[in-house]
Amino acid sequence: AQKVTQAQTEISVVEKEDVTLDCVYETRDTTYYLFWYKQPPSGELVFLIRRNSFDEQNEISGRYSWNFQKSTSSFNFTITASQVVDSAVYFCALYGRRALTFGSGTRLQVQP
Amino acid sequence: DGGITQSPKYLFRKEGQNVTLSCEQNLNHDAMYWYRQDPGQGLRLIYYSQIVNDFQKGDIAEGYSVSREKKESFPLTVTSAQKNPTAFYLCASSIEGQGFDEQYFGPGTRLTVT
Repeated sequence: AQKVTQAQTEISVVEKEDVTLDCVYETRDTTYYLFWYKQPPSGELVFLIRRNSFDEQNEISGRYSWNFQKSTSSFNFTITASQVVDSAVYFCALYGRRALTFGSGTRLQVQP
Repeated sequence: DGGITQSPKYLFRKEGQNVTLSCEQNLNHDAMYWYRQDPGQGLRLIYYSQIVNDFQKGDIAEGYSVSREKKESFPLTVTSAQKNPTAFYLCASSIEGQGFDEQYFGPGTRLTVT
């Protein structure tokens, strides 16, 4: 069985603070994919990133960065200089063995 | 504008009634999915379809039914057999039916059954 754990249920920061959202996963597969999705108040999920299990390079996209560490089974997401528009629920997900499993999500509130 | 539309955004039904949620996409994607989201939980897969006239059960298919007669459309029926139907329902699509594809989501339908 595979599992995704997002232990942080809710995080509140003040604008311009950096914030890291944690994601820990469990899988027995050697080939798998990890995702982050953002769910703004409007409801639809928006794809942010996908990594496969063979690519441990960290990725940066503007204010967003992702740290993938197989040794600790983690795929953490950092927002630098957070903005109010970053307020949303963020989901980490794992695809392996024909199944896509989502974590329970982390609600991020960025206060002005 | 390409995307996924779900209607209505809010839906209210009495217990014991079947209700059908609409999902349409104009992205020319082969695969479509239905998820259920409950407060404080991640998304759970109800049904998915990789091609027209074919669909597969997901993790929580009991009490739900789907059809895929057209590539663009994947309606979900919540039947009276679904014991706890009140939830937020999200439809998604992807280019192919590979689970590692990026999925595109609709805005969701919030169903309340009383």
